[in-house]
Amino acid sequence: EAGVAQSPRYKIIEKRQSVAFWCNPISGHATLYWYQQILGQGPKLLIQFQNNGVVDDSQLPKDRFSAERLKGVDSTLKIQPAKLEDSAVYLCASSPRVGAEQFFGPGTRLTVL
Amino acid sequence: QQQVKQSPQSLIVQKGGISIINCAYENTAFDYFPWYQQFPGKGPALLIAIRPDVSEKKEGRFTISFNKSAKQFSLHIMDSQPGDSATYFCAASPNSGYALNFGKGTSLLVTP
Repeated sequence: EAGVAQSPRYKIIEKRQSVAFWCNPISGHATLYWYQQILGQGPKLLIQFQNNGVVDDSQLPKDRFSAERLKGVDSTLKIQPAKLEDSAVYLCASSPRVGAEQFFGPGTRLTVL
Repeated sequence: QQQVKQSPQSLIVQKGGISIINCAYENTAFDYFPWYQQFPGKGPALLIAIRPDVSEKKEGRFTISFNKSAKQFSLHIMDSQPGDSATYFCAASPNSGYALNFGKGTSLLVTP
């Protein structure tokens, strides 16, 4: 079974630029999460989707971050404009249903200069 | 605010020794407590998880001990091996399908 795929793996941008990350969850997984992991800390949820609907986006900085999950499969996370403090690893996770284990992708490491 | 507090921040254990990592939580609505292992450049991977209806769960060399009244849980790694060197995160959620609240992580180094 293929795991959660993310791209790109690394991205370096300057502050005020825009960036987008892509996630392809495990086939058949209805629930998708985006987490932000700042160096030296645990992951923090940004947004949770159930199919293509948002379940929880209470910690998403909506003035600059946006996410979508079209057709309930792939998802994109966008930052516009980026700030220095957005430097982090962005992790995507999926689970087959609410109440099941979450599987994480390898993450995208973002550096904002 | 940090909903799950984890200690120690780093840990060095000799091969064959026992590694112990502790976590504490405040939210009594939490009912799912997983531990994740993360290697550099990889995403976290589920190691073992427990629900509060049991006080201990063992899988191979890994054991979770859970104290509901104290709102604490811990991970014990028996016979620690150099391959166990990684960062370990405890987490908690009101249900395993909801967002996980992670601790800050423990960097474990097992020396030969």
